[in-house]
Amino acid sequence: GESVGLHLPTLSVQEGDNSIINCAYSNSASDYFIWYKQESGKGPQFIIDIRSNMDKRQGQRVTVLLNKTVKHLSLQIAATQPGDSAVYFCAENGNRDDKIIFGKGTRLHILP
Amino acid sequence: DAGITQSPRHKVTETGTPVTLRCHQTENHRYMYWYRQDPGHGLRLIHYSYGVKDTDKGEVSDGYSVSRSKTEDFLLTLESATSSQTSVYFCAISDGGDTGELFFGEGSRLTVL
Repeated sequence: GESVGLHLPTLSVQEGDNSIINCAYSNSASDYFIWYKQESGKGPQFIIDIRSNMDKRQGQRVTVLLNKTVKHLSLQIAATQPGDSAVYFCAENGNRDDKIIFGKGTRLHILP
Repeated sequence: DAGITQSPRHKVTETGTPVTLRCHQTENHRYMYWYRQDPGHGLRLIHYSYGVKDTDKGEVSDGYSVSRSKTEDFLLTLESATSSQTSVYFCAISDGGDTGELFFGEGSRLTVL
């Protein structure tokens, strides 16, 4: 529920503006990256993924960018809506041994 | 929604007691995972399974054991619960291992007094 959001970095965005959530990963062996969205009281839900042979992938209102040189991943949300308010996690497959490892998350707060 | 059921959804127990959390899936997915979620730590992998009777440790496996005797069920056991194991526990399933989408359950909130 709400308690898992404590101590998280928070991004506040005006409704209608674009949001950019950033994530740094550490394992250069990772070749699969995913963004998840977690609403209060629920389990995380898949948003979009990208493989390391790509730099960019687009979905509906979302774009993921991958910069392997600096090990950086970002999620762009176009025309942010109140329903986008959630905690967003990036995840990677680290050592490619069937495990998916998550980052600590960023809370996205939508301003009216 | 993917067919994942966690039970119990809420549990309060005392230090030193055994606790078992159950994850049940109806998707026939090969991979099943247990994560814990705590403020400031995000989701941390406890144990996972890549098939019946095939399990392996995650990032924070100490104090936890798992069993998977059939495809649809993955049990997480705390042999002797401690207050540091107070957390929200999430089960997830996947058909693709480390390159597949994870589907999460609704979570089980465990409080150890």
